[in-house]
Amino acid sequence: NAGVTQTPKFRVLKTGQSMTLLCAQDMNHEYMYWYRQDPGMGLRLIHYSVGEGTTAKGEVPDGYNVSRLKKQNFLLGLESAAPSQTSVYFCASRISGANVLTFGAGSRLTVL
Amino acid sequence: AQKITQTQPGMFVQEKEAVTLDCTYDTSDQSYGLFWYKQPSSGEMIFLIYQGSYDEQNATEGRYSLNFQKARKSANLVISASQLGDSAMYFCAMREAPGYNNNDMRFGAGTRLTVKP
Repeated sequence: NAGVTQTPKFRVLKTGQSMTLLCAQDMNHEYMYWYRQDPGMGLRLIHYSVGEGTTAKGEVPDGYNVSRLKKQNFLLGLESAAPSQTSVYFCASRISGANVLTFGAGSRLTVL
Repeated sequence: AQKITQTQPGMFVQEKEAVTLDCTYDTSDQSYGLFWYKQPSSGEMIFLIYQGSYDEQNATEGRYSLNFQKARKSANLVISASQLGDSAMYFCAMREAPGYNNNDMRFGAGTRLTVKP
């Protein structure tokens, strides 16, 4: 049982480049989330999805786009990376009616 | 807007002793859920304990207990009999109106706990 899997685990980008982070869960969870973690700031919600084909903005959505074409996958895209997007990104999911989030292992992104 | 405050950037505790990690929160909702997560140096987020705002008893999970003081809006994590493996970052989090379609879980800045042998 893999749980929540994030790829890639590490990535270095140059300013202006684009990339996509993939989150996959095999638990049939309805809800999926993307957070970023920065030193001294905890985790902040970027975007989330309550089901296939639906997405919504969180606390810090600017500069990111997401898609949920399949229930098990939640993609986070950066169209034009900026150094301020250097962070560790976490994907999480939960089943409807549950309170607890299950997190992926994180993806460390560095933008030069 | 909800807000979570963890005032202790770092804490030290001697092995086998108990330690309390502070968390205060700000919300105008009556229904909310409080969470603690552990993040070891390997980076994953591990759920520890949950407390609902209407729960009358403080939550406990093994060596973890949540000291919930609703009037003071505090949700401190107590770890009893600390072990070396407890050394990690600990995050307090809250989501208003859990069970409904509120998906905005807010996290505090975290407390780094170091257990000394």
